[in-house]
Amino acid sequence: DTAVSQTPKYLVTQMGNDKSIKCEQNLGHDTMYWYKQDSKKFLKIMFSYNNKELIINETVPNRFSPKSPDKAHLNLHINSLELGDSAVYFCASSRNRGADTQYFGPGTRLTVL
Amino acid sequence: DAKTTQPTSMDCAEGRAANLPCNHSTISGNEYVYWYRQIHSQGPQYIIHGLKNNETNEMASLIITEDRKSSTLILPHATLRDTAVYYCIVSSSGSARQLTFGSGTQLTVLP
Repeated sequence: DTAVSQTPKYLVTQMGNDKSIKCEQNLGHDTMYWYKQDSKKFLKIMFSYNNKELIINETVPNRFSPKSPDKAHLNLHINSLELGDSAVYFCASSRNRGADTQYFGPGTRLTVL
Repeated sequence: DAKTTQPTSMDCAEGRAANLPCNHSTISGNEYVYWYRQIHSQGPQYIIHGLKNNETNEMASLIITEDRKSSTLILPHATLRDTAVYYCIVSSSGSARQLTFGSGTQLTVLP
């Protein structure tokens, strides 16, 4: 069973479109995260939710909006996609907000044309 | 969180120990040292973490110097599947663990 899963694995879309990436964890964890890995391979945190409550919100354009319908899911919606949004987006989860270990999903490679 | 410095790349012969160094000279008292790795095109994977004492688990050992300004991750018997980018991260024990990944060390295990 996959612990942290993301859909889709690949996403190719045109500039200006709106798209969503879904993340689900079956570990019973309270905390979930979104990270972005750019073309230079730097991995940066974007958001974190704990029990559906936003606890980390880094300097990310307003076009990015996370939504957590329940603590097992954290989706990322992106409006008006731009070329610079092309990256690999990783979802992660941890037992709680202070837990030492984060478990990462396989990533979603977003390409904006 | 304190900044870390790692070599860009390292090679290791299969079956030998891989020793990956990390400098974190500005680490503060409540900051832990974490190691993650990222195998090509996969999500990062937790390896080990520590505060002051040396730590060992089924994957690796972590040696932290007494002044805590540097550490070494040891993979005792490297295999080809250990080829990956290894990240050393320093993170405080705050209410939310915000991992800041640097550029890491590309470890290549050679047959």
